[in-house]
Amino acid sequence: QQPVQSPQAVILREGEDAVINCSSSKALYSVHWYRQKHGEAPVFLMILLKGGEQKGHEKISASFNEKKQQSSLYLTASQLSYSGTYFCGTGRNLIFGKGTKLSVKP
Amino acid sequence: KAGVTQTPRYLIKTRGQQVTLSCSPISGHRSVSWYQQTPGQGLQFLFEYFSETQRNKGNFPGRFSGRQFSNSRSEMNVSTLELGDSALYLCASSSQDMNTEAFFGQGTRLTVV
Repeated sequence: QQPVQSPQAVILREGEDAVINCSSSKALYSVHWYRQKHGEAPVFLMILLKGGEQKGHEKISASFNEKKQQSSLYLTASQLSYSGTYFCGTGRNLIFGKGTKLSVKP
Repeated sequence: KAGVTQTPRYLIKTRGQQVTLSCSPISGHRSVSWYQQTPGQGLQFLFEYFSETQRNKGNFPGRFSGRQFSNSRSEMNVSTLELGDSALYLCASSSQDMNTEAFFGQGTRLTVV
């Protein structure tokens, strides 16, 4: 079952904050977050595990609500380098959502 | 440490032909997953191999198949190509399971004409 991401796209000015959400209709045991820049491969950002454990990027934070089957990625004080498409992935097969396109403008 | 290598990077094929794509995972990684990426559809899971066994399969027709060799290298085959198969095919490797990070290759851009 493909997770649902929102919003589909967001435009920010440098220094602004953004939240990207990921929700699933199935029970979640872990959530992965990846970022893909145009023409490049997706790059790992973070894994959130059931029970509260997190592994990943020190400058990006995320939450995982097992009960609501949701995860949110928090991008604070955005930089130009944050631009790209963000994907959340869930399940043993690592099924990804359709992505959220983030554009950070100067 | 070398990353995930996919070959070829670009491929143009004619409808009805078949194609084989290759993926060499990071040394020591035993899990290889394949994804199809098209505009608007994101990353669609094709299948995952672990220690030469297909562990999981996505919702794709039987024309899509794969295999993994004893050195963990994986190949993906698409037979009887259709125009709709044009996409970026990505493979990802990880050490064990989906509770560890996956490393993606640069992908193979397949165009079917």
